[in-house]
Amino acid sequence: EAQVTQNPRYLITVTGKKLTVTCSQNMNHEYMSWYRQDPGLGLRQIYYSMNVEVTDKGDVPEGYKVSRKEKRNFPLILESPSPNQTSLYFCASSLGAGSGETQYFGPGTRLLVL
Amino acid sequence: GQQLNQSPQSMFIQEGEDVSMNCTSSSIFNTWLWYKQDPGEGPVLLIALYKAGELTSNGRLTAQFGITRKDSFLNISASIPSDVGIYFCAGLAFGNEKLTFGTGTRLTIIP
Repeated sequence: EAQVTQNPRYLITVTGKKLTVTCSQNMNHEYMSWYRQDPGLGLRQIYYSMNVEVTDKGDVPEGYKVSRKEKRNFPLILESPSPNQTSLYFCASSLGAGSGETQYFGPGTRLLVL
Repeated sequence: GQQLNQSPQSMFIQEGEDVSMNCTSSSIFNTWLWYKQDPGEGPVLLIALYKAGELTSNGRLTAQFGITRKDSFLNISASIPSDVGIYFCAGLAFGNEKLTFGTGTRLTIIP
């Protein structure tokens, strides 16, 4: 089954404790992206990747890191989480980035930073 | 970063009613997309629009790409309980690799 998987689905952590949210897709997609969803703000892009070893900042990259060492994986790293990073995070992938290629979204990771 | 203005923010309707929502932008987009997010799930693409003036349907859903290229509309006819969720518009500008999402419209159906 074609899908985007994220782990963990729920995470409670404390300020400053490094964490990684994994994202994996099995569709051989080149384009992958991370979003955060906050009430009243919709989905805002954090980082995106056009292909292996190619990553770029989205609209809200501060406090986040990503890597794209393999095509299928695109982990999101919070080196020193802060409470304002409490949010619902979505990973997405698509065949390409242009012309509105259909983006497939993962199920989401709900993060609470205390 | 740019965001799209989506309205209304929320809607409370009765089953069987028609629904209209829209998205506006200060800049031009070449592609408009409409997504639906069910509770506890990620967004799923409903309709994609690629040309100004284009009108596209997907079952009871109809979306239009505004003539000015700065807006888009989504209509749902004869709403049913499974239409409940959050609807997002998204736009893609020419030469841009990033989708810009609207702030969402939360649809609730009153029994």
